This record gives sequence, structure tokens and C-alpha cells, in this order.
Amino acid sequence: EPEVTQTPSHQVTQMGQEVILRCVPISNHLYFYWYRQILGQKVEFLVSFYNNEISEKSEIFDDQFSVERPDGSNFTLKIRSTKLEDSAMYFCASRPGLAGPNEQFFGPGTRLTVL
Amino acid sequence: DQQVKQNSPSLSVQEGRISILNCDYTNSMFDYFLWYKKYPAEGPTFLISISSIKDKNEDGRFTVFLNKSAKHLSLHIVPSQPGDSAVYFCAAENLRGGADGLTFGKGTHLIIQP
Repeated sequence: EPEVTQTPSHQVTQMGQEVILRCVPISNHLYFYWYRQILGQKVEFLVSFYNNEISEKSEIFDDQFSVERPDGSNFTLKIRSTKLEDSAMYFCASRPGLAGPNEQFFGPGTRLTVL
Repeated sequence: DQQVKQNSPSLSVQEGRISILNCDYTNSMFDYFLWYKKYPAEGPTFLISISSIKDKNEDGRFTVFLNKSAKHLSLHIVPSQPGDSAVYFCAAENLRGGADGLTFGKGTHLIIQP
């Protein structure tokens, strides 16, 4: 069964460093998402991406964040200068289309720890 | 700003009995509601959804009920099995408004006791 994959599973970085989190969405899906979950809190939407551009972003997704689909398979989230409060689980998700109810399929997550 | 609320952080149910997980929302623009299940160290897994124009959707042991006037939905699992022990998230989206990002509740940790 096709699934969303994410690498790495755990990333440790120093405050102020840039990190890139990688995702491979399900191959025939058209919509891609990033979410995060700070420990003990709810899953929060960051950004959605369709047709090579951002379609929606939340207040969390400020100028420190960017997304890219550099080729036909990868979808990346870049954090330019990490802060302590960026420590969280980051989940990538994809869905085939918007004609509902097409659920979003989530990857296993990347745990980001900022020291 | 909690547009989707799950007021019970945890719920303990005996195996074989019915589990009822509750969710309230404040945004009347939501047009789909979804339930996700999450095990530790894994991503959320889709369980069942319901359109805002329906009041019930059933899939095997899982049934979701929607009460639009009360802005309340619930997930019923019957009979509950040990493998159902997980965190359950209620989520909502507003596709008509062009907002396809999911808004999640904080989750309810369901524990099925043998």
C-alpha cells in the first residue's frame, strides 16, 4: 500500500541553524501539507501546496519557513534559522484531490530538536 | 483560538463495550469533519469522516454522528478492542472556503482495558 515517507526520523540542530525536512508524498497525489505537533499540544496546520505553489498557510508559517517541490517526488520544508520553540514533530501529508471526502494521508513524522 | 475542542484528554473503556469520543467546534463554515487515530511514534491515520450535510456515517465498528445545531460530533466504536487503544483526533476543514488545511482538536487518549 502506498504511503507517505519522511526523512530523517529525528533531526537535532543548534539554534540559528537551517534545517530541511524531507517528504515523499504518495505518487499520484496532487495536494501536499506540512503540520507540526509541539510535545503535549495539538497537531497544527502549517502550509498546503498545490500546482507548485502555496495554496494556504497559517500564522505559524512565517518568513522563516519555506516549502519546495524540487523534483517530481520530494516535498521539503525549510526552516531558515531555527529557534528553540521550533522543536516539535513535523508531519507531512498528501491527498489525491479536493473532491471530498478525500482524507489526507500522513507520514510518520520527523522529530526536530533545537538545542 | 480553539475552533475544534476535545474536552476529554483520556477515556478508559472495557474491551467489548462501546467507546464514545466527543468533539465540539465553533466554526460553522467547516464542511467536513474527520477522525484520525494516532499511535506513538507514528503519523495520524484516517479513520472516518462526515460531510456537514449528513448526520451519520458508519464504517464497520466506527460510526460518526454530527449534530450541526449543537456544533457537536461524536465517534462511536463498538465493540471496543485492545488495538483501539490510541490517541484519537477530531479534525475539520473548510473546503468551500478554500481552506484545505485541517484544524485539529487536542486529542483524546483512549485506553481499552481487557
